[in-house]
Amino acid sequence: DAGVIQSPRHEVTEMGQEVTLRCKPISGHDYLFWYRQTMMRGLELLIYFNNNVPIDDSGMPEDRFSAKMPNASFSTLKIQPSEPRDSAVYFCASSPLPGLAGGSRGYNEQFFGPGTRLTVL
Amino acid sequence: RKEVEQDPGPFNVPEGATVAFNCTYSNSASQSFFWYRQDCRKEPKLLMSVYSSGNEDGRFTAQLNRASQYISLLIRDSKLSDSATYLCVVNHPGQNFVFGPGTRLSVLP
Repeated sequence: DAGVIQSPRHEVTEMGQEVTLRCKPISGHDYLFWYRQTMMRGLELLIYFNNNVPIDDSGMPEDRFSAKMPNASFSTLKIQPSEPRDSAVYFCASSPLPGLAGGSRGYNEQFFGPGTRLTVL
Repeated sequence: RKEVEQDPGPFNVPEGATVAFNCTYSNSASQSFFWYRQDCRKEPKLLMSVYSSGNEDGRFTAQLNRASQYISLLIRDSKLSDSATYLCVVNHPGQNFVFGPGTRLSVLP
């Protein structure tokens, strides 16, 4: 199993440009999560999908951010227009199931991709 | 108050030492608890789940105290390779995972 795949691994762009981050979750996982990590704010959940449907996008910073999941094996996070404060590491993660009452062994783990390091100049 | 809070760290300990991290959470309805480990410039990876009765995995012991709403992680006989950031994670049924800010551990030779 290749694990969660993200591309690109590094992205450097200029303010105002559109940025598209890509993610391929682990096959068979019903949940996909997009996170952003910075030194100041730590790991923040942006949005998550269940069976390709966005469930909670309350963490999306503003309208410049959008995420899609057109099918079970692909998701994108788009920033348009990008700003320097968007510089961060963006992680995609997938999970077979969310937390269940009492927690079920082996079902709740989130598997993270290697991340995309975004720098907006 | 943040949903999940952790000891700020960093913790600098010598090899062989025992070190403990605490984590507190604010939502009493939380049901699932985890410790993740994140190496520098890498993605977080699951270290261990935390069960109500407490659980042990080799040198690592996790405890849950629902009454006080805190979780702990104990590392015995620490190794250089244990140096990393340890993230406490809390999950509510049907909702998302909430990550704590992490505690950085440096094990020194």
